[in-house]
Amino acid sequence: EVQLVETGGGLVQPGKSLKLTCATSGFTFSTAWMHWVRQSPEKRLEWIARIKDKSNNYATDYVESVKGRFTISRDDSKSSVYLQMNSLKEEDTATYYCTTYYGYYWGQGVMVTVSS
Amino acid sequence: DIVMTQAPLSVSVTPGESASISCRSSKSLLHSNGITYVYWYLQKPGKSPQLLIYRMSNLASGVPDRFSGSGSETDFTLKISRVEAEDVGIYYCGQLLENPWTFGGGTKLELK
Repeated sequence: EVQLVETGGGLVQPGKSLKLTCATSGFTFSTAWMHWVRQSPEKRLEWIARIKDKSNNYATDYVESVKGRFTISRDDSKSSVYLQMNSLKEEDTATYYCTTYYGYYWGQGVMVTVSS
Repeated sequence: DIVMTQAPLSVSVTPGESASISCRSSKSLLHSNGITYVYWYLQKPGKSPQLLIYRMSNLASGVPDRFSGSGSETDFTLKISRVEAEDVGIYYCGQLLENPWTFGGGTKLELK
């Protein structure tokens, strides 16, 4: 059974940092391209980052609104993908999902609230 | 970025009847490999999005064949025939042709 489990969310003040983890199982993680997608409180979906596999040099890509602030990474030995979020803004408040295989598999999501 | 525009915002359907949701992209989603990279997702209340249709017209595993997808290079339709109570939720179209992936604003399906 495929599982993706996000952890690390919570309430954080503007300007602070948070690191999300997506632990996976049930599929060949090492060859999967992994993505983070977030959903605003208004229910809008926004893709924010992708990391390719080793054969593609772990290439990363980001949506413009998070470039320079967020970093996606992965650890194939732990079948996990991460999202380091720095300089958080109130507009980063959302539920964050990891997903793979063109959105075939999704985690349950983790809430991040940025507020003073 | 490619803009995905969905309509309607909401639809109310009598169980057993059909429903259609439209989605338009600001750019052709037809790749040179012949695949059209539009995807449909359903987010049931309190759940994560789930894939319904991939590459415009292919039914994802485990999805009832009451769901179907069709379209052209920029105009797409999700049809749900014989709507059931379990179909309630928010439907999203998305383009996965290029980064950033972008999604429509969602269509909320409710039962009458």
